[in-house]
Amino acid sequence: KAGVTQTPRYLIKTRGQQVTLSCSPISGHRSVSWYQQTPGQGLQFLFEYFSETQRNKGNFPGRFSGRQFSNSRSEMNVSTLELGDSALYLCASSLGRDHQETQYFGPGTRLLVL
Amino acid sequence: LAKTTQPISMDSYEGQEVNITCSHNNIATNDYITWYQQFPSQGPRFIIQGYKTKVTNEVASLFIPADRKSSTLSLPRVSLSDTAVYYCLMNSGYSTLTFGKGTMLLVSP
Repeated sequence: KAGVTQTPRYLIKTRGQQVTLSCSPISGHRSVSWYQQTPGQGLQFLFEYFSETQRNKGNFPGRFSGRQFSNSRSEMNVSTLELGDSALYLCASSLGRDHQETQYFGPGTRLLVL
Repeated sequence: LAKTTQPISMDSYEGQEVNITCSHNNIATNDYITWYQQFPSQGPRFIIQGYKTKVTNEVASLFIPADRKSSTLSLPRVSLSDTAVYYCLMNSGYSTLTFGKGTMLLVSP
């Protein structure tokens, strides 16, 4: 069974631009969560989508948004990029039925904002 | 949000057993304890999960005392490739994992 895939793997943008990252979950998984990882703040939860609906949201500004499609694939968008948005963005998928389910992470997208 | 406390770093040598202890004093009744491993610039990889007593799989064991206020991840006979950051966390809500700082394990020859 294929794992979680994320595209692109690397991205360079400049301040003020916007970016869209994509995540394809493991087949059959309906929940997709997004995390931001930086050296200073560590791994932080952004939001979670289940059956095309945002089910949970972390403490990030409205510039960070996401969506999920009917095939469970998910995208996250960051508008008006800031230098501090440079990070590794990770998505994770799970079946989404119980809170103790294992989440499987993708390799991440490394975003550099100049 | 449930919080965990782990040592910032640990050192070991190849072939030794490594035990990483995690404190979670405010664990809730329905929380599970989960450990992940992460290599640089990669996504975290699930290692093991448990609720109470002892759980063992092909890569690790997890020991949880009766009060569940702590847990210990045991890695038998570590190798150089086990050098990574190890995170202890509790599944406190639907798909919202709260990661702490993790423990940087360095395995030397």
